[in-house]
Amino acid sequence: QVQLVQSGAEVKKPGSSVKVSCRASGYTFSSYNYYITWVRQAPGQGLEWMGGLIPMVGTPSYAQKFQGRVTIAADISTSTAYVELNSLRSEDTAVYYCGRCDAVGPCWYGMDVWGQGTTVTVSS
Amino acid sequence: VVMTQSPLSLPVTLGQPASISCRSSQSLVHSDGNTYLTWFQQRPGQSPRRLIYEVSNRDSGVPDRFSGSGSGTGFTLKISRVEAEDVGVYYCMQGSHWPLTFGQGTKLEI
Repeated sequence: QVQLVQSGAEVKKPGSSVKVSCRASGYTFSSYNYYITWVRQAPGQGLEWMGGLIPMVGTPSYAQKFQGRVTIAADISTSTAYVELNSLRSEDTAVYYCGRCDAVGPCWYGMDVWGQGTTVTVSS
Repeated sequence: VVMTQSPLSLPVTLGQPASISCRSSQSLVHSDGNTYLTWFQQRPGQSPRRLIYEVSNRDSGVPDRFSGSGSGTGFTLKISRVEAEDVGVYYCMQGSHWPLTFGQGTKLEI
């Protein structure tokens, strides 16, 4: 079945960087038909879109809030997408989710498959 | 586009109906004539799950007690008879205008 499996929890110091991975299986990751997106959820808060890309195309889009601080990429050879967030601060403490969308739009129809989430804690 | 849900908390009785409203700051009618409004359910401790896309299309495996409706800037998720497994937070999301934006979430509790 279609799955997105994310890397494990991270604890980081303020000012450092974190990189979270999302490995896809059960479908053709290299297809032009799918877009991988990243969404985060701070403790007790709602969902916040960060950005995404079509892995085969490789050109990411980012939410303005994260521009300059986030990098989203994909490795077709391992069917893995990544999000890297720099200059971490306490407000970046959140669960980070990857999700799959149709490339049409992209994401006109929302995310049909989600990863299990990765908890990132930023604390001194 | 700002998505505003109401109520933010919804106490319900098992077997009774429930309704969640989602309003957008501008029309979600895309230039192609379609409306890209999605509803997600997030059960406690779980990842979100898509329930409904393009306003009213239910995902495979989603019980038919869930239904979506609306147009333009106003949308509604209805549960005809709430069951215990429906407890969680419900989010609307618009895909008609870039960037994607979510509502604040509505917490459904028994």
